[in-house]
Amino acid sequence: NAGVTQTPKFRILKIGQSMTLQCTQDMNHNYMYWYRQDPGMGLKLIYYSVGAGITDKGEVPNGYNVSRSTTEDFPLRLELAAPSQTSVYFCASSSGQGRGYTFGSGTRLTVV
Amino acid sequence: QKEVEQNSGPLSVPEGAIASLNCTYSDRVSQSFFWYRQYSGKSPELIMSIYSNGDKEDGRFTAQLNKASQYVSLLIRDSQPSDSATYLCAVLAPGNQFYFGTGTSLTVIP
Repeated sequence: NAGVTQTPKFRILKIGQSMTLQCTQDMNHNYMYWYRQDPGMGLKLIYYSVGAGITDKGEVPNGYNVSRSTTEDFPLRLELAAPSQTSVYFCASSSGQGRGYTFGSGTRLTVV
Repeated sequence: QKEVEQNSGPLSVPEGAIASLNCTYSDRVSQSFFWYRQYSGKSPELIMSIYSNGDKEDGRFTAQLNKASQYVSLLIRDSQPSDSATYLCAVLAPGNQFYFGTGTSLTVIP
């Protein structure tokens, strides 16, 4: 049982480059989330989805985009990378509102 | 005011002692509360959820919720060195958004 799988685990981007962080889950969860975690700042919600075709902004959506074409996949797109996007990114899923999350292993992104 | 506040620590306890981790939240209508454990360099792992006032026990872990005081805590009995980690408090706010505290770092000293 793979749970939530994120790729890549590490990435270095140059300022202005773009990339997609991949996230897939095999638990048939409708709810999926993207968070970023900065040292001493806690987890901040970027985007979330309550089902295929439905996405919504979280607390810190600027500079990011998402799509949810299937229940399993929830990719996060970074356009025009900036140093402020240097962070650890976590994808998570849950079986419903108010349920605990299962997190992926994270992507450590550095923008230079 | 932050939605969820935790003491950042570090909190150090000797092996076998009780570790007490605390969390306060600002939104009175919050209904769901969670504790996650995060080892250094790893992703958070759900260890406890609590929805009603009172205590909820799971093995060595006890979550306590007091909605009137807007306070949730986690007690770890018989602390082990393997419990050394950062513990994150999470609160579900209206609109289905979780707010996470910044975490409390716990070190259990052998």
